Amino acid sequence: SAVISQKPSRDICQRGTSLTIQCQVDSQVTMMFWYRQQPGQSLTLIATANQGSEATYESGFVIDKFPISRPNLTFSTLTVSNMSPEDSSIYLCSVDSAATTDTQYFGPGTRLLVL
Amino acid sequence: AQSVTQPDIHITVSEGASLELRCNYSYGATPYLFWYVQSPGQGLQLLLKYFSGDTLVQGIKGFEAEFKRSQSSFNLRKPSVHWSDAAEYFCAVGGNNDYKLSFGAGTTVTVRA
Repeated sequence: SAVISQKPSRDICQRGTSLTIQCQVDSQVTMMFWYRQQPGQSLTLIATANQGSEATYESGFVIDKFPISRPNLTFSTLTVSNMSPEDSSIYLCSVDSAATTDTQYFGPGTRLLVL
Repeated sequence: AQSVTQPDIHITVSEGASLELRCNYSYGATPYLFWYVQSPGQGLQLLLKYFSGDTLVQGIKGFEAEFKRSQSSFNLRKPSVHWSDAAEYFCAVGGNNDYKLSFGAGTTVTVRA
């Protein structure tokens, strides 16, 4: 399976500011995903990031709030914009390894607290 | 629409005892089923998956799961629990070329000495 790292691992931010989360994979992957896990909740897919195309957002998530970049096959960023306390969550990236189709592997997550 | 139900929010089990976590799914086609574990402060780790074939699937850390199509279930089991198994467990469903995973609400497992 792919080795996935995320930066930062955690952060405390002030409302109204933005935070960019990085996801790095040790091998080239076709599909990368961003999830949100609100406190005590399950995972909700925010968007799918494919290299060379615009990210595909799920219902309830918009590009202005969660802009995503995918400049190459090993890297993606998610920005949480104009943050409010309701954005306090764990943000996880996952990849669908080209070597193991239809299986997602997850990064360690970024724990965000918005004050 | 696809969905996953994990009926048990929290389970407490004694160390050395057996563990079974329930998962029921709804999916319009042949499901791909997954169990992930999330230890405190960690990301999700894949325990096992079922795509096709033998309905009893072996995973890491001594876990196994059984796919029962007639019951739309994919229950996770471990014969003897270790203290390190205390974590949150998520069942998820997807499909062939369907990258969208739907996750259950999770089951928190507490292991008592």
